[in-house]
Amino acid sequence: AQSVTQLDSHVSVSEGTPVLLRCNYSSSYSPSLFWYVQHPNKGLQLLLKYTSAATLVKGINGFEAEFKKSETSFHLTKPSAHMSDAAEYFCVVSDNSNGGSQGNLIFGKGTKLSVKP
Amino acid sequence: GAVVSQHPSRVICKSGTSVKIECRSLDFQATTMFWYRQFPKQSLMLMATSNEGSKATYEQGVEKDKFLINHASLTLSTLTVTSAHPEDSSFYICSARDVRRPSYEQYFGPGTRLTVT
Repeated sequence: AQSVTQLDSHVSVSEGTPVLLRCNYSSSYSPSLFWYVQHPNKGLQLLLKYTSAATLVKGINGFEAEFKKSETSFHLTKPSAHMSDAAEYFCVVSDNSNGGSQGNLIFGKGTKLSVKP
Repeated sequence: GAVVSQHPSRVICKSGTSVKIECRSLDFQATTMFWYRQFPKQSLMLMATSNEGSKATYEQGVEKDKFLINHASLTLSTLTVTSAHPEDSSFYICSARDVRRPSYEQYFGPGTRLTVT
C-alpha cells in the first residue's frame, strides 16, 4: 500500500533563505508524486508533479523537487523563500495499483511553512 | 483551464438540518469527482469517490446515509450532509478528474467551510 510521510509538521525560515520540506513515500508500484500548497481557507494548488519522467521536477513559484528512488524521497526545495510562500504544503502520492485506473491520492499530514521577515 | 468551483464557499446551519454542497467542473468533463474532508490543521481525508451515473464509493468509516453524494452529470457532483451535527463542522473540498487527462491528475475546488451550530 502507498503511504506518505512528511517529516516536519512545521518549518520556519527567514525571507531570502532556502526552503526544504521533506517527504518520504512508500509504494509497491511506480509512484506518481505531487506537492500541493494550501493557503489559509483556500483550496489546493498543484506546485509540481513527478510521473516517471525526469527525476528533478521544476514547479511553479520557483519550487522544485527531486525524486530519489534509492531514498524513497521527494523533498521540496526553493532557493530563496518569499513571504508569500507561507502556507501549508502537502506531499501526495497517487495510488497506481490496479493498473493505475484508480488514481486515488494519498495525502501526507502536511508541513506548515512560516517565513519570517 | 481545469477550473473546479464549489458552492457555497461557507455555510452556517443549525443542528438537525441538511446542507447541500455543489462541485462543478467549469471547463472540462469529469467522470470522476472526489470529496475530501479536512479538519483544522490536519490533512485531507478522502470521504468518497463519485462516478457519473453510478453510486459513489465511500471510504471506510464514512456514513453513506449521512453524506449523500450525487453525480448526475459530467460537470456536477453534490454532497449533502443530512441531519448535520456540530461534529460535522469541517472544511469540505472536492476535486475532479478530467477524462482527457491521466488518471492521477485531480483539480481541486476552493473548498466549503461548514459550521453547524
